[in-house]
Formats: sequence, C-alpha cells, structure tokens
Amino acid sequence: SQQGEEDPQALSIQEGENATMNCSYKTSINNLQWYRQNSGRGLVHLILIRSNEREKHSGRLRVTLDTSKKSSSLLITASRAADTASYFCATLYSGGGADGLTFGKGTHLIIQP
Amino acid sequence: DTAVSQTPKYLVTQMGNDKSIKCEQNLGHDTMYWYKQDSKKFLKIMFSYNNKELIINETVPNRFSPKSPDKAHLNLHINSLELGDSAVYFCASSPRGGGNTIYFGEGSWLTVV
Repeated sequence: SQQGEEDPQALSIQEGENATMNCSYKTSINNLQWYRQNSGRGLVHLILIRSNEREKHSGRLRVTLDTSKKSSSLLITASRAADTASYFCATLYSGGGADGLTFGKGTHLIIQP
Repeated sequence: DTAVSQTPKYLVTQMGNDKSIKCEQNLGHDTMYWYKQDSKKFLKIMFSYNNKELIINETVPNRFSPKSPDKAHLNLHINSLELGDSAVYFCASSPRGGGNTIYFGEGSWLTVV
C-alpha cells in the first residue's frame, strides 16, 4: 500500500495567495521529500526534510514535519501561475520489495491569474 | 544537458506485442528505477537496480523485465502487452539507493490498444 497521502487532492487559489498542502505517512522515516510535476513532465525534487528537523525553507517554500503525527505540510507563499502543478510527498518504503521512494497521489494545485 | 533521458516519449501499440523503453542517465548515479504512473497520477515503484542488485516490486508481473547493459542504462522490456499496461513509465536515478533524492526522466506514454 502507498506510504504517503496528500491532502487536498485538488486546490485552486488566486495568484499571490499562499497554498498549503498536507501529507500523511504510515511508518517511521529517515526523511520526507516533496516533488513537483508539471503537466506532461517528470517529477522534480523540491525539498527534503530529515526526521530530526521540524521546519525547512527554500525560497518561497516552507516545509514542516511532525513525526509524532506522521505528517508534513508544504507551504508555497505568494503563489504564481507557474506554480500550477501536482505536488507529491515521498518517503522511503521498503515493504513492497523495491527499495525506493514511495509517492502519494499528489495534490493538484491550480493558480488562477 | 538531459540528466535522465528515456525513449520513446510516446508509444502506441497493440495488445500482445513486446516493446522496450530505453533509459540513460549521465549523472554518474549508482541506482536506477522504473516507476509507473497510472491515469489517476498514482506513482508506483516497479524496480530499483544498482550494480549489484535488482529489486523487484512484488506486484509487478513477470512480463516486465529491466535490463541494464551498464551502470548508466536501465531499459524496460514488456512482453505480451495488455490494455492495463497503458500508463506513463518514468525512469529515474539517485546517487545511492534508499531515501535519497531521485532524478526523473520526462516519462514515456504507453498506450495499448
């Protein structure tokens, strides 16, 4: 079964507003990562937060991690039209055999001009 | 300079055919992956592979087989294609296995008719 679950599945906001996406996971982790996927493209790594970190910033991105609740959030501040994409959280999950990142179904973010 | 490149980008084929998708990475990474993304954007790991070990996700049919001629290449062969194989297949690589940052190719859109 998948490790991460993003919430909401879809989010539509006005340009300039902040966008917040959440991720919940099931098992203990070493780190949690967020990726972006533009329509018709591959996934691009945005940010990695380690299990001993609670918050991390990268430009307009802010990620938080609460290991007690097994959840993370991604905040995009001052959104732009170019931020329109799907956003995925990912954690390492080896239970299914293959040793690699497991992704949730993603949050589809639409920034309206 | 494309880091992870895969070909073809689009592939339409009939049921029962055998097809291959090629993947190359020029990042010098030790680990390569194949992921499948279905119509609902759910991304699922199929294989992880490094110089020493191929790990197969237990849910992947044996009609799918990765082949690595060298460290920089991991091709995906699919035999006896079925309608349900229609999806986007992503090749990816990372410096090491486990929960490290993954670099994705642009995807190969496979349609089985």
